[in-house]
Amino acid sequence: DAKTTQPPSMDCAEGRAANLPCNHSTISGNEYVYWYRQIHSQGPQYIIHGLKNNETNEMASLIITEDRKSSTLILPHATLRDTAVYYCIVRVAGNSGGSNYKLTFGKGTLLTVNP
Amino acid sequence: GAVVSQHPSWVICKSGTSVKIECRSLDFQATTMFWYRQFPKQSLMLMATSNEGSKATYEQGVEKDKFLINHASLTLSTLTVTSAHPEDSSFYICSAGGLGGYEQYFGPGTRLTVT
Repeated sequence: DAKTTQPPSMDCAEGRAANLPCNHSTISGNEYVYWYRQIHSQGPQYIIHGLKNNETNEMASLIITEDRKSSTLILPHATLRDTAVYYCIVRVAGNSGGSNYKLTFGKGTLLTVNP
Repeated sequence: GAVVSQHPSWVICKSGTSVKIECRSLDFQATTMFWYRQFPKQSLMLMATSNEGSKATYEQGVEKDKFLINHASLTLSTLTVTSAHPEDSSFYICSAGGLGGYEQYFGPGTRLTVT
């Protein structure tokens, strides 16, 4: 899988948008961008994924640049409960089962939402 | 999203004993389950990939005779830490895939402490 680069930490004020960047300059054409987050002492939680178009769901929006070398996860109205480590991962497309589709976690970005 | 459970949520055992951790997909059939380990202040490290009805595939550096994985059904995988030592103390997390979609769903994790 291609490697990703994320800032180690970010701060955000409660109620404001949190924009988390991710660089994946060596991403291949068949690789998706996934975002997960991990709240302290819990298992990771799936947030969103995309290939090349921008995506939005009830949790967040994902903006992928046209050259696909970077992306931004947007939490539109951050709350204190959004404080977590956010992981940007690239992975080949296809069924999530099978060893070819394992997720490789980097160090992620610790997002701290402040009151 | 799909629900994955783990049991127990935490366990304390004495050095030299074995501990079994269960991972269950509650509302879907998981053809593949993944086992991760996470040490304090570190990211998740994949230990092995488990496919239903076949032998697990272990990551480099993970002792297959020490970490026994069984995936006997589409809803249950177990990880047994044999002859546990204090250095095996960690947070063990499983994930399940195979929904035909693109997500992996993670369990809440099991905190193992070996004294």
